[in-house]
Amino acid sequence: DQQVKQNSPSLSVQEGRISILNCDYTNSMFDYFLWYKKYPAEGPTFLISISSIKDKNEDGRFTVFLNKSAKHLSLHIVPSQPGDSAVYFCAASAAYSGGGADGLTFGKGTHLIIQP
Amino acid sequence: DVKVTQSSRYLVKRTGEKVFLECVQDMDHENMFWYRQDPGLGLRLIYFSYDVKMKEKGDIPEGYSVSREKKERFSLILESASTNQTSMYLCASRPTHQFNTQCFGPGTRLTVL
Repeated sequence: DQQVKQNSPSLSVQEGRISILNCDYTNSMFDYFLWYKKYPAEGPTFLISISSIKDKNEDGRFTVFLNKSAKHLSLHIVPSQPGDSAVYFCAASAAYSGGGADGLTFGKGTHLIIQP
Repeated sequence: DVKVTQSSRYLVKRTGEKVFLECVQDMDHENMFWYRQDPGLGLRLIYFSYDVKMKEKGDIPEGYSVSREKKERFSLILESASTNQTSMYLCASRPTHQFNTQCFGPGTRLTVL
């Protein structure tokens, strides 16, 4: 049973516009969420995170929004650039309510394509 | 910068062979992880370890085992490789309770013929 869902396998956005990637989760114990970016033939790299005590976290062009009541988070990239073309993984953990050593639970990923 | 290295970028093995995938991290992290990434399935946790000689099963441990004899090294073992274990294997490490510092290695693309 998938606990972290990314329902869009791919997303195409024009350069300069906003990219919005969505993620839903089912486990109410999750209290820490992360986004990773992955290029082909490379390992994922950490992008941005948010804990459940916040509803927004911003880092440059990247903003993550968390709606706990809807069990939904989204990643906004503004403006989108060609180098943003990659697979984006949403991940979650019961960091503070569960064990500290468990691996993150990942979604299936969304392939973002930025068109020139 | 944390560095997680994996012994091979690409590996080709035959069905039934024993396969060792090695992962080394240089930042004294307690926790280490092995994932596999498959198209349409995302990253799935195979095994993790929170200390030397300690190991815990992840979501898909069947057909795999692990070894952590030293803190910096975490090995994934395929006792008898099968074609359905063809995948990208990713190692990661992080300190306990610091989730946003989980760092991944570059991955090993394993093909089992």
